[in-house]
Amino acid sequence: DTAVSQTPKYLVTQMGNDKSIKCEQNLGHDTMYWYKQDSKKFLKIMFSYNNKELIINETVPNRFSPKSPDKAHLNLHINSLELGDSAVYFCASSPKKTGYGYTFGSGTRLTVV
Amino acid sequence: GIQVEQSPPDLILQEGANSTLRCNFSDSVNNLQWFHQNPWGQLINLFYIPSGTKQNGRLSATTVATERYSLLYISSSQTTDSGVYFCAVLVFSGGYNKLIFGAGTRLAVHP
Repeated sequence: DTAVSQTPKYLVTQMGNDKSIKCEQNLGHDTMYWYKQDSKKFLKIMFSYNNKELIINETVPNRFSPKSPDKAHLNLHINSLELGDSAVYFCASSPKKTGYGYTFGSGTRLTVV
Repeated sequence: GIQVEQSPPDLILQEGANSTLRCNFSDSVNNLQWFHQNPWGQLINLFYIPSGTKQNGRLSATTVATERYSLLYISSSQTTDSGVYFCAVLVFSGGYNKLIFGAGTRLAVHP
């Protein structure tokens, strides 16, 4: 069983479109995250949710809206896509306090054309 | 905020060679992890190492928290070791944790 699963794996879309990426974890972790990896491979946190509550928002444009229907799911919706949004988006989860057992999904490669 | 610097940025090895990757961080951290991103993009957690030394097969890691650095050793490298190695420090923000990543070391192991 995949611990942290993301869909889709690849997403190609035109500028101005709205798209969503889904993430689910079956590890029983309290906290979930979205990280963005740019073209130079640099990884940076975007959001963090704990038990459906937004706890970290790292100055991400408000075109990006995370949604957590329950603690096992964290989706990322992106409005009015721009060329600069092209990147690989990783979902991750961890236990709330210690961070031990940080587990990443396999990533979603978003290409905006 | 905390800075995480990795060196070297790029590394090319012949199969069988040994290497050492370094991670320096600018402030005290709660924990440190090493990740390997394989050529298919998957991020694999290698070590969770706030201090001391751990070994897993041909890989080992040492963190000296008081001097704010960590080292990842790869012995008898294989082509499957190729990819990007990330050091990430765990910091607490508002009672919750987040990982701050270094820029990575790109490793290519040639047969």
